[in-house]
Amino acid sequence: GAGVSQSPRYKVAKRGQDVALRCDPISGHVSLFWYQQALGQGPEFLTYFQNEAQLDKSGLPSDRFFAERPEGSVSTLKIQRTQQEDSAVYLCASSFGGSGYTFGSGTRLTVV
Amino acid sequence: AQTVTQSQPEMSVQEAETVTLSCTYDTSENNYYLFWYKQPPSRQMILVIRQEAYKQQNATENRFSVNFQKAAKSFSLKISDSQLGDTAMYFCAFGMTSGTYKYIFGTGTRLKVLA
Repeated sequence: GAGVSQSPRYKVAKRGQDVALRCDPISGHVSLFWYQQALGQGPEFLTYFQNEAQLDKSGLPSDRFFAERPEGSVSTLKIQRTQQEDSAVYLCASSFGGSGYTFGSGTRLTVV
Repeated sequence: AQTVTQSQPEMSVQEAETVTLSCTYDTSENNYYLFWYKQPPSRQMILVIRQEAYKQQNATENRFSVNFQKAAKSFSLKISDSQLGDTAMYFCAFGMTSGTYKYIFGTGTRLKVLA
């Protein structure tokens, strides 16, 4: 597609629910990134894929967070047993390398 | 580890005037990228300008230019002829040229352009 597409745009979850956030990167972009942006803060790195391989997941805050990209295109970020501190905007980005990402518009997750 | 610091939480500028946003960073790497991203209320991060550390010449993109001081680890953004549409959060970011390519972002500067 022309840009990075993320869905849903907004998600409200009750504490303890599982959620799945989807990212559809630009066609042909081998690199895909997930970032978490808390209110009033800059984005923080969560994880990185090169094609289907998850090469860096050092930013995932706990084992409740899981990301996958099984066919090297669409990626899903899953959060199990959501907690209030998981409330944030989750941004996805894709690129050919490191010289400049294209970001999606993000998913705003609110845990109540 | 790399760090990025933006010391101006908020700034304002009159339409058509010039404003400079500050950014400092810390790294032991010799080659890297630096970026300025704009984030309007729509939430999408938009790349404004990019600088490669091995290039001495400061990057420019139309009304946007940077002052890159590698020794001082400083990377400021100058916006000339400010427009109402420039109102947004601006984030400075550091990126590696190899490996993970992950970015380290600053905490942002909220810029308001006044009519």
